[in-house]
Amino acid sequence: DSGVTQTPKHLITATGQRVTLRCSPRSGDLSVYWYQQSLDQGLQFLIQYYNGEERAKGNILERFSAQQFPDLHSELNLSSLELGDSALYFCASSEAPSGTTLHFGNGTRLTVT
Amino acid sequence: EDQVTQSPEALRLQEGESSSLNCSYTVSGLRGLFWYRQDPGKGPEFLFTLYSAGEEKEKERLKATLTKKESFLHITAPKPEDSATYLCAVQAGVTGGGNKLTFGTGTQLKVEL
Repeated sequence: DSGVTQTPKHLITATGQRVTLRCSPRSGDLSVYWYQQSLDQGLQFLIQYYNGEERAKGNILERFSAQQFPDLHSELNLSSLELGDSALYFCASSEAPSGTTLHFGNGTRLTVT
Repeated sequence: EDQVTQSPEALRLQEGESSSLNCSYTVSGLRGLFWYRQDPGKGPEFLFTLYSAGEEKEKERLKATLTKKESFLHITAPKPEDSATYLCAVQAGVTGGGNKLTFGTGTQLKVEL
């Protein structure tokens, strides 16, 4: 068990809808990362937060947004969902903003119908 | 742009049959190379971090090595429980002090009795 908690485990929704994925980092970790894993593309970096502030941005769509709250949990919001957004969404956490190991949760499987 | 290429895509071994997985990379300012193991429906599980060419790390039947252009994950006398997808990732510095891991698409290993 990595100590990173993600909820929900599964989410099924329709195109055009909006969903929120939640992540609680390991105790003591200040940085949170979001990754998307689809069958054909592997793990793709979306965004990183450190102690509430955005630190790095990957190929995150404008329809997606994230934030990290004062208690360090993070939420990833996905809106105007499309069929192609169906994927596994992983959250990871680390102690420091750079140069440290990322520990991953078990993901949220999103299915858009 | 940082790139990670893993080979082979899939590997089938008999129990006890040793082999190596390859990870080739191009990155500007490598801060670390990571190996993760991922089981179906789970998040990546951290195995090793390598920081400089010539470095080696071992854990049970696994040994990771690093050169300036590639890394190898050697599996000695594998067992069926070693079956998983092995992911390689490179960490580079990001403007603003962030942290970005770029992953390869993985090698799916199956070890049979």
